[in-house]
Amino acid sequence: GENVEQHPSTLSVQEGDSAVIKCTYSDSASNYFPWYKQELGKRPQLIIDIRSNVGEKKDQRIAVTLNKTAKHFSLHITETQPEDSAVYFCAAKANTGKLIFGQGTTLQVKP
Amino acid sequence: DTEVTQTPKHLVMGMTNKKSLKCEQHMGHRAMYWYKQKAKKPPELMFVYSYEKLSINESVPSRFSPECPNSSLLNLHLHALQPEDSALYLCASSQQETSGGFFYEQYFGPGTRLTVT
Repeated sequence: GENVEQHPSTLSVQEGDSAVIKCTYSDSASNYFPWYKQELGKRPQLIIDIRSNVGEKKDQRIAVTLNKTAKHFSLHITETQPEDSAVYFCAAKANTGKLIFGQGTTLQVKP
Repeated sequence: DTEVTQTPKHLVMGMTNKKSLKCEQHMGHRAMYWYKQKAKKPPELMFVYSYEKLSINESVPSRFSPECPNSSLLNLHLHALQPEDSALYLCASSQQETSGGFFYEQYFGPGTRLTVT
């Protein structure tokens, strides 16, 4: 069935360092890949997304890369700040239209 | 207005109670969603409404009953819940339900934290 695997489950970095979160999807028909950030007690918020006709997208300190052949996409955060601390979820749009979420990565940025 | 609102923020209910969760959006979106989220887990889709009609029911137990009275409102009626139903219930909306190759961004509400005792 449709599945998205996300790694690592927890990630701790020093402020100013980079953070990378990786996801692999199973449905080769998936063509849209959003990333959500969820701070403690808050709603998930879309921070960046990528469509299957694009290999990379960047928005200030965050970027997403997509390798369709490998069915793999990644979130890159550079110059991390304490306010980047949150749970990050990747997702893939399945053929049914549903969003299939990864299990989440808890990112801790230490000052 | 680019916000999805949900009430109440917190709800504690016994297993024999009946309660309702409410969701509202004024963005003119025609698709609305209910998700259930356990702590540090991803949101799990429960229901999708498209143009006020139930489009998807992800095999949710009948103790959860959704209702879409109009294009701006979405309710989730709760009855005879179990302690394992305690979770954050998120509502979301999008311009339309995803179809074909296009995905419409989903905007999430702040959620209702439900505790079943």
